[in-house]
Amino acid sequence: LAKTTQPISMDSYEGQEVNITCSHNNIATNDYITWYQQFPSQGPRFIIQGYKTKVTNEVASLFIPADRKSSTLSLPRVSLSDTAVYYCLVGDGRDDKIIFGKGTRLHILP
Amino acid sequence: ETGVTQTPRHLVMGMTNKKSLKCEQHLGHNAMYWYKQSAKKPLELMFVYSLEERVENNSVPSRFSPECPNSSHLFLHLHTLQPEDSALYLCASSQGRGVGYTEAFFGQGTRLTVV
Repeated sequence: LAKTTQPISMDSYEGQEVNITCSHNNIATNDYITWYQQFPSQGPRFIIQGYKTKVTNEVASLFIPADRKSSTLSLPRVSLSDTAVYYCLVGDGRDDKIIFGKGTRLHILP
Repeated sequence: ETGVTQTPRHLVMGMTNKKSLKCEQHLGHNAMYWYKQSAKKPLELMFVYSLEERVENNSVPSRFSPECPNSSHLFLHLHTLQPEDSALYLCASSQGRGVGYTEAFFGQGTRLTVV
């Protein structure tokens, strides 16, 4: 099981770009990296997934270096509504024991 | 609206009560999950069903009993719960197994309070 490590919390300001880095040193060859967002008292919401290099969608970008031992979720021009907990998960679909860590609590300030 | 509906949204029950949580998805997914999220704790995977067959029981006490009658519905039957079981219970579904691998859709959750 690839364990992930993220900062516990981060603060940023509206309009800024926010980068959240996740470490997964023992990622396996078949593992994908997936990020979820969770607002208080709601279920997590899928944001983005990648295997290597860079992935971009309408919400975020995911940067994965060649060694894949870490990944960075990039949120462009954040707003107050981006205040949430962000989780990094690593898995290959064969193991259901995917563990949600404590995530990164992102607080956007006006 | 994620396509995964949980009822009820809030539930208060005594320790001697029996209640059930319901989850419904019409996304055509073949895997469904129950998670527990206690205050300021990570989500804990409780049960996984794939193609209506339970494939994971993550050391959950027997006072929690899941049921998956078909691929669209998932229940969590509760009996003789303890106050420490108070938490947000989340249902999720995905096409293919592994929340960390395939995009999973979560419901809004049921906020359970055991008194």
